Amino acid sequence: EEQLVESGGGVLQPGGSLRLSCAASGFTFDDYAMHWVRQAPGKGLEWVSLISGDGHSTYYADSMKGRFTISRDNNKNSMYLQMNSLRTEDTALYYCARDLAVAGLLMGAFDIWGQGTMVTVSS
Amino acid sequence: EIVLTQSPATLSLSPGERATLSCRASQSISSYLAWYQQKPGQAPRLLIYDASNRATGIPARFRGSRSGTDFTLTISSLEPEDFAVYYCQQRGNWPPLTFGGGTKVEIK
Repeated sequence: EEQLVESGGGVLQPGGSLRLSCAASGFTFDDYAMHWVRQAPGKGLEWVSLISGDGHSTYYADSMKGRFTISRDNNKNSMYLQMNSLRTEDTALYYCARDLAVAGLLMGAFDIWGQGTMVTVSS
Repeated sequence: EIVLTQSPATLSLSPGERATLSCRASQSISSYLAWYQQKPGQAPRLLIYDASNRATGIPARFRGSRSGTDFTLTISSLEPEDFAVYYCQQRGNWPPLTFGGGTKVEIK
């Protein structure tokens, strides 16, 4: 079964840092680009970041640039999101999601999602 | 940034009825639009990609279409499990990838 499992969420104060992880199983991890997508409580979906299958290309939403860093370890079938200088508006459920395209391509659509990990930033 | 405007915000229908959900893009995105379904407490599920292609395992009652910058998701006959929130999402001009605000399909 193709599966994604996020971890690393928590409660922290503004200005703090957190590292999220996403563990993949059931598919050839390095064949796929991967994304982070977040959802604030009671709100809609917001794309956060993307990393290519080989890890060489990364992209971010403007509000995350310079604060968030996406990375992956294909040997561990895992992806990460390092979040620094956190703000109250970063409070959300963070999902990792697999890109629909295979074999190094990029579709920019998400076919497999994890269940999310909650990040709460509050003073 | 491409803005996607979904309408209506809420759709109140009965099982067996036809649902028509709209998503308008602020500029051309070709056919690069996807639709997702999200139920309470669950992750989103991909329904449609590239405007009209059903994702793996999606029933035929879900159909996507495009007319210029206007996109439509049609559910031909609502099943009880179809009551959920639906989001559109574009990849026509990115970054960023963007989502619409969602349409809630609720039981009338």
